[in-house]
Amino acid sequence: QSALTQPASVSGSPGQSITISCTSTSSDVGGYNYVSWYQHHPGKAPKLMIYDVINRPSGVSNRFSGSKSGNTASLTISGLQAADEAHYYCSSYRGNSSWVFGGGTKLTVL
Amino acid sequence: QVQLVESGGGVVQPGRSLRLSCTGSGFTFSNYGMNWVRQAPGKGLEWMALISHDGSKIYYADSVKGRFIISRDNSKKTLYLQMNSLRPEDTAVFFCAKKGSGWDLDYWGQGTLVTVSS
Repeated sequence: QSALTQPASVSGSPGQSITISCTSTSSDVGGYNYVSWYQHHPGKAPKLMIYDVINRPSGVSNRFSGSKSGNTASLTISGLQAADEAHYYCSSYRGNSSWVFGGGTKLTVL
Repeated sequence: QVQLVESGGGVVQPGRSLRLSCTGSGFTFSNYGMNWVRQAPGKGLEWMALISHDGSKIYYADSVKGRFIISRDNSKKTLYLQMNSLRPEDTAVFFCAKKGSGWDLDYWGQGTLVTVSS
């Protein structure tokens, strides 16, 4: 079960915007509108930031937004803050009640 | 608020078994599917198993099918993962995660570390 492809790291300065990509095939990202994004501070519980490609759970800042084009999904964080520094993982439903995750992207706020 | 707390991790020898538990609170446990996800050291997340709200439907990733067993006891609001024939490559932090209304995992625990080593 191949993982979704994410960049290993991205960085940005406070106030800037960054985008993290998540690429796979038509079997998952391209085939379903069920892409989710998770924020993970090591040692803590991962937190759902985006679900169904574009939706934000209640309580998640509107600085976080999701999109998808073909087999690539993206997470954009605008107005970067120090607290955004974390690992981010994309995930896609891939049928047969199973999920696949990306390898994770470490976001550094400079 | 929703809380998920995993327990049962530790150091275990290759070939042995271990059972993890995950206790939920702050939501109606028996209404939601539950999952196990793991993260090997320095690696990304890997989905392992899903059990439906009533335990009637179970799904596994190919990597653990036949060795790991997911189960639940709704009267105890507890999810389990029975891990058999453990291998060094099973070393990971194991998270339980609540299935959302759609195909997302909306709440997670902090994880429990399993180390498989002689």
